[in-house]
Amino acid sequence: KQEVTQIPAALSVPEGENLVLNCSFTDSAIYNLQWFRQDPGKGLTSLLLIQSSQREQTSGRLNASLDKSSGRSTLYIAASQPGDSATYLCAVTQGGSEKLVFGKGTKLTVNP
Amino acid sequence: DAEITQSPRHKITETGRQVTLACHQTWNHNNMFWYRQDLGHGLRLIHYSYGVHDTNKGEVSDGYSVSRSNTEDLPLTLESAASSQTSVYFCASSYLAGVGLYEQYFGPGTRLTVT
Repeated sequence: KQEVTQIPAALSVPEGENLVLNCSFTDSAIYNLQWFRQDPGKGLTSLLLIQSSQREQTSGRLNASLDKSSGRSTLYIAASQPGDSATYLCAVTQGGSEKLVFGKGTKLTVNP
Repeated sequence: DAEITQSPRHKITETGRQVTLACHQTWNHNNMFWYRQDLGHGLRLIHYSYGVHDTNKGEVSDGYSVSRSNTEDLPLTLESAASSQTSVYFCASSYLAGVGLYEQYFGPGTRLTVT
């Protein structure tokens, strides 16, 4: 059974810092990996989607990398801002399936 | 703009009652999903559908049912609500972003309290 782990569970940084969020998964036979952002009391917003054959995806100040063989992904946030404060979730799909298996998230706080 | 909506956004019900949560998407996506989110467990899949008249059980399907009579809607029914079903429920639909590459989009959620 696929398990997704995100470490740390919570992170607090000063504004302007570059930071890395980690995601690991136990079964490397994934199809896609998707990073989401969730604001308190809100739904999930898709940030980046990486296909298993890809190594990274970039969107603005966000860069997600994928090392399928080692079962790891990282989300890099450059020049963090208070507006980046949210919970970040990582999720994977297995081959041939569109069902997502989620990690429990990393709660990020960026202090002004 | 195309979107995915859920109703109601908040619901309080009593143990034993039947409850239906609505999910409606205007993207014409074939695939739709229901998840619940609980502290300590994260998001878990309840049911999903790959098209009209298709439904499948997820990880935590006991006590829940879905039906898919059209592309736009996937209502989630709690047959006899239990306090353990107090949770936040999210509906999602997925879009083919590339060859074999599906991206899921989520609704705003329904907060359900069973008393």
